[in-house]
Amino acid sequence: DQQVKQNSPSLSVQEGRISILNCDYTNSMFDYFLWYKKYPAEGPTFLISISSIKDKNEDGRFTVFLNKSAKHLSLHIVPSQPGDSAVYFCAAGYNTDKLIFGTGTRLQVFP
Amino acid sequence: ETGVTQSPTHLIKTRGQQVTLRCSSQSGHNTVSWYQQALGQGPQFIFQYYREEENGRGNFPPRFSGLQFPNYSSELNVNALELDDSALYLCASSLEGGGNFRETQYFGPGTRLLVL
Repeated sequence: DQQVKQNSPSLSVQEGRISILNCDYTNSMFDYFLWYKKYPAEGPTFLISISSIKDKNEDGRFTVFLNKSAKHLSLHIVPSQPGDSAVYFCAAGYNTDKLIFGTGTRLQVFP
Repeated sequence: ETGVTQSPTHLIKTRGQQVTLRCSSQSGHNTVSWYQQALGQGPQFIFQYYREEENGRGNFPPRFSGLQFPNYSSELNVNALELDDSALYLCASSLEGGGNFRETQYFGPGTRLLVL
């Protein structure tokens, strides 16, 4: 039972353009959502989070949008840079620090 | 650099053996969570320890067990290894368990386990 889904395994974007990574979830109990970024041979690094009481959170080039009615969240990166090339995981949780991760989207930003 | 270290980085075992993986948490962090990441999948929550007590467990059998020590280092033990246990094992430390600091889970680089 995949409670958090990232249906696009990969995404390729030109440098300077917007990258949009999507995530869907099924459990309406989730009350916070996070995005992690992972480079090869490293652990996931926290990027940005959003509480279920909000619909948008912004941090520099990164913005996360939450649509609770659709059980959908997205991460926007503007402008995309080559250093953003990595695997991005969305994760969700409630009450505890147990996180449910999606399967990841590999983002490649090309010049 | 998160300050969370794991050892060993790689390990090869045979089916039926036992393995111990180690994690050194970021200084001052009293909560550690362990995750299993199979190839092509996202990390899956195994369990969490808060102040040396288990504080939540995912859908993993009892042959997966853990310990957390007073210095906040921790171990993941897996008995009777199976081929499907081959994965990257990640630990993550955070300052408080079950609270509001959800985003402050700092992951180590992981231990890659191969079971033959």
